[in-house]
Amino acid sequence: EAGVTQFPSHSVIEKGQTVTLRCDPISGHDNLYWYRRVMGKEIKFLLHFVKESKQDESGMPNNRFLAERTGGTYSTLKVQPAELEDSGVYFCASRPSGSSYEQYFGPGTRLTVT
Amino acid sequence: AQTVTQSQPEMSVQEAETVTLSCTYDTSENNYYLFWYKQPPSRQMILVIRQEAYKQQNATENRFSVNFQKAAKSFSLKISDSQLGDTAMYFCAFMRRYGGATNKLIFGTGTLLAVQP
Repeated sequence: EAGVTQFPSHSVIEKGQTVTLRCDPISGHDNLYWYRRVMGKEIKFLLHFVKESKQDESGMPNNRFLAERTGGTYSTLKVQPAELEDSGVYFCASRPSGSSYEQYFGPGTRLTVT
Repeated sequence: AQTVTQSQPEMSVQEAETVTLSCTYDTSENNYYLFWYKQPPSRQMILVIRQEAYKQQNATENRFSVNFQKAAKSFSLKISDSQLGDTAMYFCAFMRRYGGATNKLIFGTGTLLAVQP
C-alpha cells in the first residue's frame, strides 16, 4: 500500500509568486490534514478535510492560503502571493474514518520564499 | 489552549546506550492522547508510540517506552539500546480524545537525536 505522497519535495520561489503544493493521501482515507513547520518552531495545524469538505480550517494563517480537495482524493494547497514568512516545511497527513488517532504523514514539501 | 514543550533541541547518545527525551504539556482536558513521532533524515514522519491519558500503565513498543506522569503533565520517551537508525527528529504531540471530528495534533518543537557509533 502506497503511503502519503507530496509534490514537490522542494520549491524555491520569489516573494510575490504563486506556489501550489499537492498531497495524495493513502487510498480510502477520508481525513486529510495539512500542517506546517516554520524553521526551528513547532509543527502547526493548518486545516482538516473530511472527504471534500473542510472540517476545520482554524489554522490557516490568512487568505493568501487556499486549500482544496476536489472529489475527496488528492488535495492542493496554494499560496498566492507568497511572502517570506511562508517559508517552511508543509506536511500532509491522512487518516481513515473510524480510526481514532493515528495520522500517516507524507515526507513534506520544503518551501523557500526568497 | 493546549501547548507542548520540548526543552531539548538536540541530544546525542552512543550506540547501545539509553537516552531519554523530555516533553511537557499543558491542558485542562482530562481525556487525551500523547504521541511520539519520529522523522528520520529526508524521510517521512512515523508514529513511534502513543499513550492514552486514562491508562496509568506506561506504553512500551520494543526498545521505546514512555514515562507518563499525568499530574505533572510530563511525557518522556526512553530509547533503550540505541541504534544508528534511531537518528532522527523526535516530536512529542498531543491530541484531545474527544476533539470533535478534527482530531488535530498539537506538536512540540522537536528534539534532534544523533546516535553516535
